[in-house]
Amino acid sequence: DAKTTQPNSMESNEEEPVHLPCNHSTISGTDYIHWYRQLPSQGPEYVIHGLTSNVNNRMASLAIAEDRKSSTLILHRATLRDAAVYYCILRGYAYSGAGSYQLTFGKGTKLSVIP
Amino acid sequence: DGGITQSPKYLFRKEGQNVTLSCEQNLNHDAMYWYRQDPGQGLRLIYYSQIVNDFQKGDIAEGYSVSREKKESFPLTVTSAQKNPTAFYLCASSPRTGQLSSGANVLTFGAGSRLTVL
Repeated sequence: DAKTTQPNSMESNEEEPVHLPCNHSTISGTDYIHWYRQLPSQGPEYVIHGLTSNVNNRMASLAIAEDRKSSTLILHRATLRDAAVYYCILRGYAYSGAGSYQLTFGKGTKLSVIP
Repeated sequence: DGGITQSPKYLFRKEGQNVTLSCEQNLNHDAMYWYRQDPGQGLRLIYYSQIVNDFQKGDIAEGYSVSREKKESFPLTVTSAQKNPTAFYLCASSPRTGQLSSGANVLTFGAGSRLTVL
């Protein structure tokens, strides 16, 4: 499986932008880059995903390096509600007989937001 | 509202007992997944199913069993063979589109079930 590497933790001041990095040097051409976040004792929620081009939605922006070996999740103005564990995962198609999806979640980055 | 419902939210089990965790979705998704999460750790895939009456083992399937008799339902049984079953269990689902574009499919997660073995 293609793996991702993220810092264990990061801090941000409230109302300031946050850049969460993710390295994925073994990414394949069909792998999409997904970001999810998880609040304590809750299920993860989808944040954003992309393949090659930078992406924006109401929650965040995703900046993808030209060689696709790294990406950055950008929260434009951190709020206390953004304090969570952020997971960067690669989601692609891996053929295995009947066809299968490879989904690997690492430990993610724990984001703390300081009031 | 469409979503995934997991029950029970909290469950206590005595050693040697089997327990079944429920997962129901009304999103009309074909694919469903079960993950296990231990404190301070990431998610590990137990089983997944892409279509009714078919499922595949994930990374840590030993001691678990699943069934997929209906599109909406994907129950997980934690058997007595699972050595350390105390954990947070998460169910997820996603659409199943063309295989080459399947990496774009977004996962929707349930709120989780916390199992404690006494």
